[in-house]
Formats: sequence, structure tokens, C-alpha cells
Amino acid sequence: DADVTQTPRNRITKTGKRIMLECSQTKGHDRMYWYRQDPGLGLRLIYYSFDVKDINKGEISDGYSVSRQAQAKFSLSLESAIPNQTALYFCATSEARSQDFQETQYFGPGTRLLVL
Amino acid sequence: RKEVEQDPGPFNVPEGATVAFNCTYSNSASQSFFWYRQDCRKEPKLLMSVYSSGNEDGRFTAQLNRASQYISLLIRDSKLSDSATYLCVVSLAGYALNFGKGTSLLVTP
Repeated sequence: DADVTQTPRNRITKTGKRIMLECSQTKGHDRMYWYRQDPGLGLRLIYYSFDVKDINKGEISDGYSVSRQAQAKFSLSLESAIPNQTALYFCATSEARSQDFQETQYFGPGTRLLVL
Repeated sequence: RKEVEQDPGPFNVPEGATVAFNCTYSNSASQSFFWYRQDCRKEPKLLMSVYSSGNEDGRFTAQLNRASQYISLLIRDSKLSDSATYLCVVSLAGYALNFGKGTSLLVTP
């Protein structure tokens, strides 16, 4: 079984709809992240969480919200989807390494979202 | 100015060739450096971390030049399976990763 899973894998929705993307991990990592990837723009950080009680905005948090329901679960919500939120969304996890800062991030398989 | 800049390519090389990718970063306080690989429509996966002294993993060699704020990846004896997008990644404190847009490599028979 995959260590980082995302549901759904593909989603088509309409402008104005609320949708939730879910991420679960079995790696036991404290840190979790949500990114979006757009052609020509690379990966951009939306939100990140260092533990269940810690949520931080990333580079492009407007229009998104998150919930860290448990160490293993981190959900991303689009309260009112708009077409420019059409993108590939990745969840990632990492384990804190204060000794050398060489944290590897492990990505889920991604969710393809199309907002019409 | 984007924090991490890469030549998008594509780099088209024959099997067996040696190819090098370069990357520059803007924040001199950056502490962690990585190369990730991303196959088409798949998630990014860590290829290798980049250490100050340079490091090698099989056919792959990574170099870091802090003075010039420059990272490189060298692939020797290219294989068809090396075809992918290579992402240069830089971090200030090990967690908030800044991704380059990626360099596309196509290895041809």
C-alpha cells in the first residue's frame, strides 16, 4: 500500500461548488503539506502543518482552507471553486530533521482537479 | 525574480550521453538543496540531496556552489528510463521547499 494517499484522484466540479481533497499517510510523519502544480509554474505551496495543532499559510493560500484532523490526515478545501483553481494538487509529508535540515518530502499521487 | 531558476529545456540526448543541468537560487541563506525527479503525470520523488562537498549516486553527481548560488546535476551514461523532468529544490530551513519549474530530459535510442 502507498505511504501517502490522496482522494479523489480526479475531480470535475463547477464554479462555486465546495470541494474537499483528502490526504492520508502511514509514514508516521508529523509534517504535512499541500501543493498545487500548474504547467509552466512549477509546484507552489498552499498550506503546511507541522503537527495537529499547527497550520501555516504557504505562498498561495487565498481561496483555500485546510484541516489537520489527525497526525495522519490533512484535508484541503476549496470553499467556492473557481476555474483558475484547475490544477494538479499534491499532498506531501516529511519528518523533521533539525540536525541537518535535509528533510525529504514524500508526495502522494496527486489529485487532478478541473473547475468548469 | 523567481527564487529557483532552471533552464526548462527540453534536453534531447542519445542513450549513453552525459548531460548536465544547472540551477540558480536567489536566497543566500538557503540551507538545503535537492534534486527531485518527476515523471509525466506522476508525483515528484527525491533523486538526491545536494551537499556542500558534492555527492555522487551511481551515474548521478550533484554539485553545490554556495558562493555563486548554483547547483548542478550531472547524469552519465544516460538511459531511456532517465527521461523525466528534473526539479531543482531549495529550502531555507529544510521544510518549506522552493521548487524550480523543472528541466525536461528526453533520452532517445
